[in-house]
Amino acid sequence: QVQLVQSGAEVKKPGASVKISCKASGYTFSSYAIHWVRQAPGQTLEWLGKITVGNGYTDYSQKVQGRVTITSDTSASTAYMELSSLRSEDTAVYYCARDDSGWSFWGQGTLVTVSS
Amino acid sequence: DVQMTQSPSSLSASVGDRVTITCRASQDIRNSLAWYQQKPGKAPKLLLYAASRLDVGVPSRFSGIGSGTDYTLTISSLQPEDFATYYCQQYYNTPMYIFGQGTKLEIK
Repeated sequence: QVQLVQSGAEVKKPGASVKISCKASGYTFSSYAIHWVRQAPGQTLEWLGKITVGNGYTDYSQKVQGRVTITSDTSASTAYMELSSLRSEDTAVYYCARDDSGWSFWGQGTLVTVSS
Repeated sequence: DVQMTQSPSSLSASVGDRVTITCRASQDIRNSLAWYQQKPGKAPKLLLYAASRLDVGVPSRFSGIGSGTDYTLTISSLQPEDFATYYCQQYYNTPMYIFGQGTKLEIK
C-alpha cells in the first residue's frame, strides 16, 4: 500500500534551517510529483512547493521562494523540504503529499516549532 | 492567483442532517476542485476530486457539484465520524494550489 512517512518533530531557533524528509513506499517513486504543504496552528493549509520527481523540476510558492528548497533522492524514494531563515511564523505542521487529481496520499505531518 | 472563498466558516448540525458547504473561486477553475476532510492532529483526507468524483472508499453520502467558479460539498445524512473540518482546494491554476479557509463542522 502507498505510504509516505515523514521525519520527526523539530525545534529550531529563529534564523536556523530545518530539513524534513518524506519516505515513499508502495509505488514507483519517480512516477509522481511530491507536494509540501504546511498548516500553522488553527489555520488553513498553505502550499509551499512541489518536485516532479522524474526530472527533478521544482515549483515554489512566491511566499517562501528563496527560503525553501525541495529535493528528492530516487535511490532512497525520499523527498526533502528544507526551509531556511526560520521565523516564529514558520511554526506549523508540515506535510508531504503525493500528486494526483486530488491528493489521496499524505504523510503523517512533522511539527516544526521555531522559538528562541 | 486564484482565491478560494469557502463558506460557512463554521456550522453546527445534528446526526442525520443534510449539510452543504460552498466554495467560490475568483475565476473559472474548470472543475479542478478537490474536497478534503481533516480531523484534529491528522493529515487531510481526500473526499472528492474533479468537483464530483469520490475518492476510493469514501462513503456515498458525500457528493460534490459545481462548475465555473461555484462548487458545493454535500453530506446527505451526517454521521458521528463526519464532524471535522472541511477544505476545498483548486488545482487548475497551477502551480499555486490554493485551499479554502475551511469549514468546521460541529455537533449541535
